[in-house]
Amino acid sequence: DTAVSQTPKYLVTQMGNDKSIKCEQNLGHDTMYWYKQDSKKFLKIMFSYNNKELIINETVPNRFSPKSPDKAHLNLHINSLELGDSAVYFCASMGAANTGELFFGEGSRLTVL
Amino acid sequence: GEDVEQSLFLSVREGDSSVINCTYTDSSSTYLYWYKQEPGAGLQLLTYIFSNMDMKQDQRLTVLLNKKDKHLSLRIADTQTGDSAIYFCAEKSGGSYIPTFGRGTSLIVHP
Repeated sequence: DTAVSQTPKYLVTQMGNDKSIKCEQNLGHDTMYWYKQDSKKFLKIMFSYNNKELIINETVPNRFSPKSPDKAHLNLHINSLELGDSAVYFCASMGAANTGELFFGEGSRLTVL
Repeated sequence: GEDVEQSLFLSVREGDSSVINCTYTDSSSTYLYWYKQEPGAGLQLLTYIFSNMDMKQDQRLTVLLNKKDKHLSLRIADTQTGDSAIYFCAEKSGGSYIPTFGRGTSLIVHP
């Protein structure tokens, strides 16, 4: 079983559209994240949720809205997509507090045309 | 400026040792990590070290921590082509939910 799974793996869409990426973890972790990785591989934190509550919201446009229906899921909805949103989006969850290890999904590559 | 810095590229010959270096600025860092990202995949934790340790060895991997200089290194012995990937350094303080990542070092292993 995949520990952190995200869908879709690839997403190609037109500017102005709205799209969602889903993430689920079966590890029983309380904390989940969304990261954005740009074309230069730079990894930037976007959001973090702890037990369904938003705890970190970095400087991200309001067009991005995370939703956590339960602690095993953290979905990302993006409105009015722009060219600059093209990137790979990674979902992650955090393991036991004593190590702080992050478990990443395989990534969702978003291409905005 | 960035909190975690690492060089962007490293090229080595198969069988040689690779050393990837990282510096960080947060003196309260408690945990330091090395993650590996293979093409088309997510990041996977390779190893981590607590700030009260100087060294950690795990098979071909050796992590050295110089807390005074805030310098972390990852040595891969007998580097193989399968080690070609991007290696990310990261740090986290005890009370933080967010690890801070460096920009990643692309390791290229050639025959």
